[in-house]
Amino acid sequence: DGGITQSPKYLFRKEGQNVTLSCEQNLNHDAMYWYRQDPGQGLRLIYYSQIVNDFQKGDIAEGYSVSREKKESFPLTVTSAQKNPTAFYLCASSVGIGLSYNEQFFGPGTRLTVL
Amino acid sequence: GENVEQHPSTLSVQEGDSAVIKCTYSDSASNYFPWYKQELGKRPQLIIDIRSNVGEKKDQRIAVTLNKTAKHFSLHITETQPEDSAVYFCAASKANNNDMRFGAGTRLTVKP
Repeated sequence: DGGITQSPKYLFRKEGQNVTLSCEQNLNHDAMYWYRQDPGQGLRLIYYSQIVNDFQKGDIAEGYSVSREKKESFPLTVTSAQKNPTAFYLCASSVGIGLSYNEQFFGPGTRLTVL
Repeated sequence: GENVEQHPSTLSVQEGDSAVIKCTYSDSASNYFPWYKQELGKRPQLIIDIRSNVGEKKDQRIAVTLNKTAKHFSLHITETQPEDSAVYFCAASKANNNDMRFGAGTRLTVKP
């Protein structure tokens, strides 16, 4: 299961606090993604990045922010503006733009609970 | 944007029976359709994918079919085993576009 890692596995946050989830990959992939997974709703795209220093909003970007300063890292910050942040967060990566049929490789996920 | 719908949301079968999960998509430009399996507490992993230039693909007990005209694709699992129990997700995306959309998932239970 190596190649893409997330930390921490479990995270607890008090209401009103910002928290940053880590995602690192050593697959030399250009593209990286953040998804939120809630029961019965599948995977919803928060943000994705096709290349360093560039990223685009997904379907549910409000209350989240990202950065892509390095190819191997794509951290996600859950801000206090996110009204219902308790969820399972999955990071993924794929080879990158300019190529068809990009398989996405997922990290093990971070379960965030707001107390 | 792309919208992917997946049915059923839950599916229970007896060991040895077949299981079929169906997905529809809205964007006719989509041309890559992967299926992911997520076991309890684990990350999703690709099990099979199909590209729009073919209508069917098989890999041992699993197969995927694609109907581009109707914009739907299906996952077929034959001779199901208890270890097939998991949540299965379909997805759709376009070539040269990393914006993939997932279905809501199907929880498959295979009873021994």
